[in-house]
Amino acid sequence: AQKVTQAQTEISVVEKEDVTLDCVYETRDTTYYLFWYKQPPSGELVFLIRRNSFDEQNEISGRYSWNFQKSTSSFNFTITASQVVDSAVYFCALNGFQKLVFGTGTRLLVSP
Amino acid sequence: EAQVTQNPRYLITVTGKKLTVTCSQNMNHEYMSWYRQDPGLGLRQIYYSMNVEVTDKGDVPEGYKVSRKEKRNFPLILESPSPNQTSLYFCASSLQPNNEKLFFGSGTQLSVL
Repeated sequence: AQKVTQAQTEISVVEKEDVTLDCVYETRDTTYYLFWYKQPPSGELVFLIRRNSFDEQNEISGRYSWNFQKSTSSFNFTITASQVVDSAVYFCALNGFQKLVFGTGTRLLVSP
Repeated sequence: EAQVTQNPRYLITVTGKKLTVTCSQNMNHEYMSWYRQDPGLGLRQIYYSMNVEVTDKGDVPEGYKVSRKEKRNFPLILESPSPNQTSLYFCASSLQPNNEKLFFGSGTQLSVL
């Protein structure tokens, strides 16, 4: 069965620091998809990225970047120069059978 | 605007009083699903539907019912709510369940007293 582990329950940083959120996954599928979602204090779930298992290129989107490494089954998310607006819970997810399998989330607190 | 609409946003009820949380999507998605979010547990799937009149259990279906009479609607029914169903609920939809991103509703915070 698929499993996603986000070992960091909560991370606190000061604005402008860089921060990396870890995500480790388990799957026996050879083709799979990984996702990151953001849940701001307002509660909705905001899609950030989808990555398929064949594409190991790192991706950068503004201050956000993702490092996908199949060798270590990890899909880590880095925020560069964090801002207060980045404060949220971040979920990593993996496609399972007819569903997404979510990690338990990492709460990021960015203080001014 | 493409969206999943979930109502109500907040709901407080008492044990045993039947309730329905509505979910509607305007993207013509075939796949719809319900998740509940609990602290320390992430999001867990309750039920899903592959199409009209096709529904199946997820990981935590006990105490819930769903129906899919129309493609756009996928209500979640709690026939006899209990306090352990106090949670944040999300409805989601997508074109396909296994490789497409999920579009989520804004969530329903349910408290069962």
